[in-house]
Amino acid sequence: KNEVEQSPQNLTAQEGEFITINCSYSVGISALHWLQQHPGGGIVSLFMLSSGKKKHGRLIATINIQEKHSSLHITASHPRDSAVYICAVSGNTPLVFGKGTRLSVIA
Amino acid sequence: GAGVSQTPSNKVTEKGKYVELRCDPISGHTALYWYRQSLGQGPEFLIYFQGTGAADDSGLPNDRFFAVRPEGSVSTLKIQRTERGDSAVYLCASSLATGTGEQFFGPGTRLTVL
Repeated sequence: KNEVEQSPQNLTAQEGEFITINCSYSVGISALHWLQQHPGGGIVSLFMLSSGKKKHGRLIATINIQEKHSSLHITASHPRDSAVYICAVSGNTPLVFGKGTRLSVIA
Repeated sequence: GAGVSQTPSNKVTEKGKYVELRCDPISGHTALYWYRQSLGQGPEFLIYFQGTGAADDSGLPNDRFFAVRPEGSVSTLKIQRTERGDSAVYLCASSLATGTGEQFFGPGTRLTVL
């Protein structure tokens, strides 16, 4: 069993829809990261959080430490949001990554 | 400002050859990480440096893989006797400090071993 599990693996949405991507982890962590990877490989850090909720523009990330679960929400989705979203956790070891969620937003 | 850069962006080599992949971290970042990402998978940790020393190399798959960071800035990942299974995107990241600091990723080097 992977230490970091994401769901869904693939997601197709219509422009404007509210999107949720989930991440569960099985190890103790000090922080959870949400990353965005566009075609061609570049990875951008979206959020790093250890408790509660963070918001940046149309993106919202939440974490529940007791349940070992985090969600990434995208409001008013747009085709430019199409990318792979990766959850990763850090603790006593370097980042452990989930396999990613491939999001396609259709106009 | 300059981000993390990696060269080359693409490398095609033949099985059995030696390759070097280079990473230039953000200036002032003491921590540097190497990851490998196979198609359809999330990145996997290979090694990280704190300054010049390898603080954790537990992710290196075998002794054909080696990395150096002699002056605490640029790092080179070296792969000897390449195998087809080494084909992947090799990602480098840097951060101000190790642990939970935000990591900034380079664009990656796509390695193809024929």
